[in-house]
Amino acid sequence: QKEVEQDPGPLSVPEGAIVSLNCTYSNSAFQYFMWYRQYSRKGPELLMYTYSSGNKEDGRFTAQVDKSSKYISLFIRDSQPSDSATYLCATYGSSNTGKLIFGQGTTLQVKP
Amino acid sequence: DTGVSQDPRHKITKRGQNVTFRCDPISEHNRLYWYRQTLGQGPEFLTYFQNEAQLEKSRLLSDRFSAERPKGSFSTLEIQRTEQGDSAMYLCASSLPRAGPNEQYFGPGTRLTVT
Repeated sequence: QKEVEQDPGPLSVPEGAIVSLNCTYSNSAFQYFMWYRQYSRKGPELLMYTYSSGNKEDGRFTAQVDKSSKYISLFIRDSQPSDSATYLCATYGSSNTGKLIFGQGTTLQVKP
Repeated sequence: DTGVSQDPRHKITKRGQNVTFRCDPISEHNRLYWYRQTLGQGPEFLTYFQNEAQLEKSRLLSDRFSAERPKGSFSTLEIQRTEQGDSAMYLCASSLPRAGPNEQYFGPGTRLTVT
């Protein structure tokens, strides 16, 4: 079992839709959770991070963590074609180095 | 430009050749990471430096791989006797050491194709 699981999609939505992207993780010791956006043939770009359980909002993006079910989500409101990318969830490994463990990534396409 | 830079952006090599990639982190970041990403997968950790010290290496990093970070500034990743299975995007990331979230900033990657 992978430590972080993510549905690869692809996910296709019309412009303006609310998008929900999800990951599950296996290790209850994980505390920080990141969301990265990666455009085709580019490096990942940090969108936001959350700590422990709860919500965090940044503009059209909301990250949510439910530690009881080991479930993390990213919601995108009023989705735009420019949001079309691969979204990667990530968390820390158990070492002190801060190395990230990534999910597989979900490919999102927002159609005009 | 103050982001992480990587060179070259693309590399095509024949099987058995050696290749070397360079990463220049954000100037005040003393943590540096290398990851490998294959098509349709998330990045996988390869190795980590704090300043010039290489503190962790993944089991993915076979004996053909070596990484250095002289003087704690830029880093190089060398692959000897390349194999077709080495074809991937090699990503470098850097971060500041601090308590709390380890916000890693990635470079654009070096895409390696082994023919």
